Amino acid sequence: AQKVTQAQTEISVVEKEDVTLDCVYETRDTTYYLFWYKQPPSGELVFLIRRNSFDEQNEISGRYSWNFQKSTSSFNFTITASQVVDSAVYFCALSDYYGQNFVFGPGTRLSVLP
Amino acid sequence: NAGVTQTPKFRILKIGQSMTLQCAQDMNHNYMYWYRQDPGMGLKLIYYSVGAGITDKGEVPNGYNVSRSTTEDFPLRLELAAPSQTSVYFCASETGAGVPYGYTFGSGTRLTVV
Repeated sequence: AQKVTQAQTEISVVEKEDVTLDCVYETRDTTYYLFWYKQPPSGELVFLIRRNSFDEQNEISGRYSWNFQKSTSSFNFTITASQVVDSAVYFCALSDYYGQNFVFGPGTRLSVLP
Repeated sequence: NAGVTQTPKFRILKIGQSMTLQCAQDMNHNYMYWYRQDPGMGLKLIYYSVGAGITDKGEVPNGYNVSRSTTEDFPLRLELAAPSQTSVYFCASETGAGVPYGYTFGSGTRLTVV
């Protein structure tokens, strides 16, 4: 069975600090996909990134970066120089190759204080 | 391009009433899903569909029914509403035509049962 663990329930940082959100997953599949979603206080769910299991290159998008390490089954998300607008709940998710078996982690609530 | 449209956005039901939450997508996606998100919690899968005429139960299907007569629409029916069904309901779709790109979510329906 697939499983996603986000051990950090809540994190608080002061603006401009860097913060890393942890995601650990379990799967028996050799091909799978990992995702991060953001849920701001307004409630909608926003897609941030998709990564397939064959691509272990780190990815950077502005202040956001993702570190995928297959050896430790982790897909961590770092926000550099955090801003108040980054305050949200962040969900990590895992999908099989076909996208049918989609599992979300419990989420990490990030509060960025001014 | 509307994406995934959910109606209504808010609803208050009395115990024992029934209602249908509507979900429509215009992206010709094969896969559609219904999730519920209880306050401060993660997403739990209620039902999903991999194509017109095909539906299957998720983690928490009791008290709900779905149908998928067309590719575009995936309504969720609540029969005999109970306070435990107070939640935010999200509909999502995924292409289902090969590798997963990540869900497209609707904006959610906030349901309160009193």
